[in-house]
Amino acid sequence: QSVLTQPPSVSGTPGQKVTISCAGSSSNIGSNYVHWYRQVPGAAPTVLINWNNQRPSGVPDRFSGSKSGTSASLTISGLRSEDEADYYCAAWQEGFYVFGSGTTVAVL
Amino acid sequence: EVQLLQPGAEVKKPGESLMISCEASGYNFSTHWIGWVRQMPGRGLEWMGIIYPADSDMRYSPSFQGHVTLSVDESTNTAFLHWSSLRTSDTAMYYCVRSSVSTMTNSPPDYWGRGTLVTVSS
Repeated sequence: QSVLTQPPSVSGTPGQKVTISCAGSSSNIGSNYVHWYRQVPGAAPTVLINWNNQRPSGVPDRFSGSKSGTSASLTISGLRSEDEADYYCAAWQEGFYVFGSGTTVAVL
Repeated sequence: EVQLLQPGAEVKKPGESLMISCEASGYNFSTHWIGWVRQMPGRGLEWMGIIYPADSDMRYSPSFQGHVTLSVDESTNTAFLHWSSLRTSDTAMYYCVRSSVSTMTNSPPDYWGRGTLVTVSS
């Protein structure tokens, strides 16, 4: 059972905006940065958002992150078919990292 | 270019020992924490632990402490994940990851290896 809670799945049509939530506690999200990863089936995860809301070079600006209190969210604006993947949040917790339970994004 | 090279697969029997490797290149190996993430079949990501190559300082997730051991060989820029006695429940993909910020313990993983699929079956 993951320490960070995410919805199992979200879906949308092309062009829509979807948001993935990540709920934690004061010992992880509440006191540390949140990071987001994307994993296409059969491949290794790649970093999508660092330090709550920073996009690494090469990540489209359709992806944005935010954090408030003990929760965080990832927003995909202008959903595209290639955004179908699993998305994970992560945060430091008292000496080690914890990942979210993962959210599968489906493009209808 | 940062690269983390891992063997593709290992097949072992329960009770056997195993060490898998991760050969790093393209950056200063000694000053970035390097670690491992487990993904069981059809499941999510689980952070296992990290090691600092310069002094072998380690951090383990409580879920994995005592069952696996991390080590490094600075002379070959290689990190290792070791089991002394495998269980069938260790069947999973294991990703090698580099921590993004030099010397910073709690910096997030940025580069990921392609993963080593470990299958434990009698």
